[in-house]
Amino acid sequence: DAGVIQSPRHEVTEMGQEVTLRCKPISGHNSLFWYRQTMMRGLELLIYFNNNVPIDDSGMPEDRFSAKMPNASFSTLKIQPSEPRDSAVYFCASTLRGNEQFFGPGTRLTVL
Amino acid sequence: GDSVTQMEGPVTLSEEAFLTINCTYTATGYPSLFWYVQYPGEGLQLLLKATKADDKGSNKGFEATYRKETTSFHLEKGSVQVSDSAVYFCALILSYNTDKLIFGTGTRLQVFP
Repeated sequence: DAGVIQSPRHEVTEMGQEVTLRCKPISGHNSLFWYRQTMMRGLELLIYFNNNVPIDDSGMPEDRFSAKMPNASFSTLKIQPSEPRDSAVYFCASTLRGNEQFFGPGTRLTVL
Repeated sequence: GDSVTQMEGPVTLSEEAFLTINCTYTATGYPSLFWYVQYPGEGLQLLLKATKADDKGSNKGFEATYRKETTSFHLEKGSVQVSDSAVYFCALILSYNTDKLIFGTGTRLQVFP
């Protein structure tokens, strides 16, 4: 298996633009997580899905952030409109019920 | 609430030194405990885990013992290498009905030749 796949790996955009981050979890995994990592705030869980259903979105910072999981093999995290303070590395991770979480390589987002 | 507390970093060591990174937790119930490692420019990856009291997790020369009486899961390695330089995260998962990991803040380890 190729592991968790994230795209793009790097994204540079201007303030106010819409940003969409993509994730393909490991086949057969039934939970998917979106994290954000910055120097100031460390690693934060934004949202997690189980069987494609959002279970906990308490970490989503505000209405500008939204996440979807239309099927078991794909998820998106959208920021609209983006702001410079959204600059961070965004990780996607997946797991099969209570076991090890496998992380993707991350998307480094820079908002100018 | 449930939480994980790690020692502040960075931890700076010379090659072949002994490593300890402290981790304590607060949890209702009986959590499983994990150490994840993040190498520069990469995502986190599981280093070791323990699922019940007195279990010892080990991998790549690292080990940690689940101590229920002290609510601790300290990471140790007898002889560190430069290649061990990374950020180490302690985490727990509650054993009932959730896949959500609760992470500590991470401890940066720097090993010099």
